[in-house]
Amino acid sequence: NAGVTQTPKFRILKIGQSMTLQCTQDMNHNYMYWYRQDPGMGLKLIYYSVGAGITDKGEVPNGYNVSRSTTEDFPLRLELAAPSQTSVYFCASSYPGLAGDNTGELFFGEGSRLTVL
Amino acid sequence: AQTVTQSQPEMSVQEAETVTLSCTYDTSENNYYLFWYKQPPSRQMILVIRQEAYKQQNATENRFSVNFQKAAKSFSLKISDSQLGDTAMYFCASRGGATNKLIFGTGTLLAVQP
Repeated sequence: NAGVTQTPKFRILKIGQSMTLQCTQDMNHNYMYWYRQDPGMGLKLIYYSVGAGITDKGEVPNGYNVSRSTTEDFPLRLELAAPSQTSVYFCASSYPGLAGDNTGELFFGEGSRLTVL
Repeated sequence: AQTVTQSQPEMSVQEAETVTLSCTYDTSENNYYLFWYKQPPSRQMILVIRQEAYKQQNATENRFSVNFQKAAKSFSLKISDSQLGDTAMYFCASRGGATNKLIFGTGTLLAVQP
């Protein structure tokens, strides 16, 4: 039962470098999300996707890009990394809608700790 | 827009005692869910309890229960018989609308003292 898998778990970047955080889920969920969590804070939504080929901005999208070419994968790209992007990043997925058997629960990956120096 | 507010940054409780964590929210949606997630030092996000807004009955999961006051937009979490393993950050969250975005509060750090 893999669930939501994120890679890498840890990464150190230099200012101006770029990288991609990978996220894949094996639950056939339509909805996928990227959050960031700064120290001692709650989770802020960066981007989300309601299905393959469809993405939209969340609360804090600046400095990030996403794509959703398949149902399973939802990579998050950081272009020109900045110290302000030092954070823990969580990917999550869920079923669509709030009706029927859908419990509304989001399933989270274990997080990726990114440090930009 | 959805907002979730947790006004208690930190709380402490003695083992075996009961503690209540507060949460208020704001949403224009008619159909929404409310959640409490637990985040232990491992960083893993663990669902504690969920409440459907259309249900009047408060949700209960073993030692965890909620007090859902829809008119007041309040959603508090009660932990009974607190255990050392309950020590964690607790996040209140709201989900609703066409996009089903899950919006989090800033969290309450709960310490269970032996």
